[in-house]
Amino acid sequence: AQSVTQLGSHVSVSEGALVLLRCNYSSSVPPYLFWYVQYPNQGLQLLLKYTSAATLVKGINGFEAEFKKSETSFHLTKPSAHMSDAAEYFCAVRLTGANNLFFGTGTRLTVIP
Amino acid sequence: EPEVTQTPSHQVTQMGQEVILRCVPISNHLYFYWYRQILGQKVEFLVSFYNNEISEKSEIFDDQFSVERPDGSNFTLKIRSTKLEDSAMYFCASSEQGISGANVLTFGAGSRLTVL
Repeated sequence: AQSVTQLGSHVSVSEGALVLLRCNYSSSVPPYLFWYVQYPNQGLQLLLKYTSAATLVKGINGFEAEFKKSETSFHLTKPSAHMSDAAEYFCAVRLTGANNLFFGTGTRLTVIP
Repeated sequence: EPEVTQTPSHQVTQMGQEVILRCVPISNHLYFYWYRQILGQKVEFLVSFYNNEISEKSEIFDDQFSVERPDGSNFTLKIRSTKLEDSAMYFCASSEQGISGANVLTFGAGSRLTVL
C-alpha cells in the first residue's frame, strides 16, 4: 500500500536558517509526490509537485524538494526561513492510476525570530 | 485565480443531527473530493466523485455519509446522523484531470464541524 512518512511532527528553526522537512514514501513504483502547506485557519495550498520530469522540483515561496528514488525520499527544503513560513506542511503521494492523495501526518514548522 | 469555495466555514451541531457541507469546485474541473482532518491528526481521504458517481471511497466513508452534485456547480457532503467523532475540518477539493497527468488537487479553505 502506498503511504508517506513524515519524520518530525514539529520542527523549529531560527529565522534565516535552513529549513528541512523530511518525507519518505513507500511505493513499488515511483509515485506522484506533493507538498502542501496549511497556514493557520486556511486550507491546503500546493507548494510543489513531483511528476518525474525532473528530480529537483522548485515550488512557491522559495521552497524546493528533491526526489531520491534510492532513498525513497522527497524532502522539502528552503535555504533561509522566514517568519511567514510558519505553518503545517504535508507530504502527499498519489499512485499512477489513482485519483486521490494520501497524506502524511504533517510537520508543524515554527520559525524563531 | 480560480478557487474552491466551501460553506459554512464553521458549523456546530448536536449529536444525531444531519449536516450538509457545501462546496463549489472550480468550474472546469471534473473530479471532486472530500477529505477530513480531525484536530491534530493527518488529512484523510473520504471520497472521490466523477461523472455523477462515486469513483472511490475510504473505509471512513460509511453509510452515514453521502455525496451529491445537485446542480452544475455545487458538490455536497451529507452526514445523516452526526457522531462526536465526526468533529473535524472537512476539505473539499477538485481537479481537472483524473488518472492521467499529475492531477493537482485544489483544496478549499475547509468547513469546521463541531458535534456536541
